[in-house]
Amino acid sequence: DQQVKQNSPSLSVQEGRISILNCDYTNSMFDYFLWYKKYPAEGPTFLISISSIKDKNEDGRFTVFLNKSAKHLSLHIVPSQPGDSAVYFCAAKEGNNDMRFGAGTRLTVKP
Amino acid sequence: DTGVSQDPRHKITKRGQNVTFRCDPISEHNRLYWYRQTLGQGPEFLTYFQNEAQLEKSRLLSDRFSAERPKGSFSTLEIQRTEQGDSAMYLCASSIDRGGYYGYTFGSGTRLTVV
Repeated sequence: DQQVKQNSPSLSVQEGRISILNCDYTNSMFDYFLWYKKYPAEGPTFLISISSIKDKNEDGRFTVFLNKSAKHLSLHIVPSQPGDSAVYFCAAKEGNNDMRFGAGTRLTVKP
Repeated sequence: DTGVSQDPRHKITKRGQNVTFRCDPISEHNRLYWYRQTLGQGPEFLTYFQNEAQLEKSRLLSDRFSAERPKGSFSTLEIQRTEQGDSAMYLCASSIDRGGYYGYTFGSGTRLTVV
């Protein structure tokens, strides 16, 4: 069962504009949500996280929003840069259980 | 500390052969995880260790798969009698228990191709 879903396999934005990556989940018991970034031939790299008790967490150009009632979270990157081009994975955890990942969204930022 | 290291980076094997992968986590991390990633999918959990104890195994981990973490340091993942469906990227990650949550640190993975 896929508890974490990223329905957009790809996204293309212009440099300087906002990138919005979306993620939906089904397990209401998830208490931590994370975004990972992955370049080709490398493992995923932790980007930003949010606890289920918050609705927003910001780190520089990256902001994650959590809407628990909708079971939806999003990652905003502003302004987008060509170096942000990568695959972004949404992930979620319930307590000490293993982390569940979405299928990923490939972001392309065009100069 | 150079992060999480995985060896080999690539492995091509014939169907039916056994393969073993190694993961060296970040030295201070007490938790170690194995994930598998196939094309177009996110990483799927296989198993995890806290120190030397294997605490959880996924249903994906058939009896052909075995993982060890002797002495709570490096870990090995062995696949016996490989099948073409085992072709995937095998990712190792590590983390540490401390206040808050900081995510996992992943290695670059071992890409397995079964021919």
